[in-house]
Amino acid sequence: ILNVEQSPQSLHVQEGDSTNFTCSFPSSNFYALHWYRWETAKSPEALFVMTLNGDEKKKGRISATLNTKEGYSYLYIKGSQPEDSATYLCAFSDNDMRFGAGTRLTVKP
Amino acid sequence: DVKVTQSSRYLVKRTGEKVFLECVQDMDHENMFWYRQDPGLGLRLIYFSYDVKMKEKGDIPEGYSVSREKKERFSLILESASTNQTSMYLCASSSTGHNSPLHFGNGTRLTVT
Repeated sequence: ILNVEQSPQSLHVQEGDSTNFTCSFPSSNFYALHWYRWETAKSPEALFVMTLNGDEKKKGRISATLNTKEGYSYLYIKGSQPEDSATYLCAFSDNDMRFGAGTRLTVKP
Repeated sequence: DVKVTQSSRYLVKRTGEKVFLECVQDMDHENMFWYRQDPGLGLRLIYFSYDVKMKEKGDIPEGYSVSREKKERFSLILESASTNQTSMYLCASSSTGHNSPLHFGNGTRLTVT
């Protein structure tokens, strides 16, 4: 049962554009929300782990926010570069780790 | 750096064969997971383990079993492979705590003919 929803499913942007996508998750029994980046031919790598309502994390041009009361998280990429092209996965941690289907981002030079 | 190693990158097996997918991690992590990834479905949890000899079913355990005899090794077993088990299989490990990120292996692309 997939109860972690990500949107959009895919996104094509031009180099230099800023973009964002959404992860929705059950707001009850929340422990943590994880974001991963999965590049083609590589394994998924952790970007952020967020635990507190209102949390905001940043790594370079990528940032994420968390709203546990309404059950969503946003991932933002400022000034997208071709190397940002990847599938971005979010995962909701309660008794196990449940992933969304991902947002596939393509950045065109 | 944490290293999670999956024994095979590509595997082709016949219907009905017994298949073993091996996963080893070198960071003394308590938690280990097996996922499969199919287009449009994301990563679906098959089984996970929080300790040696301990296993828990995930969302899609049917047709699979697991073994964790040693802390560093978590094996996924397909008792009798079927064509609908053709998929990308990913192993992951993490330390205890919900805020511990998963560390993934490179994946095994299994094709069952």
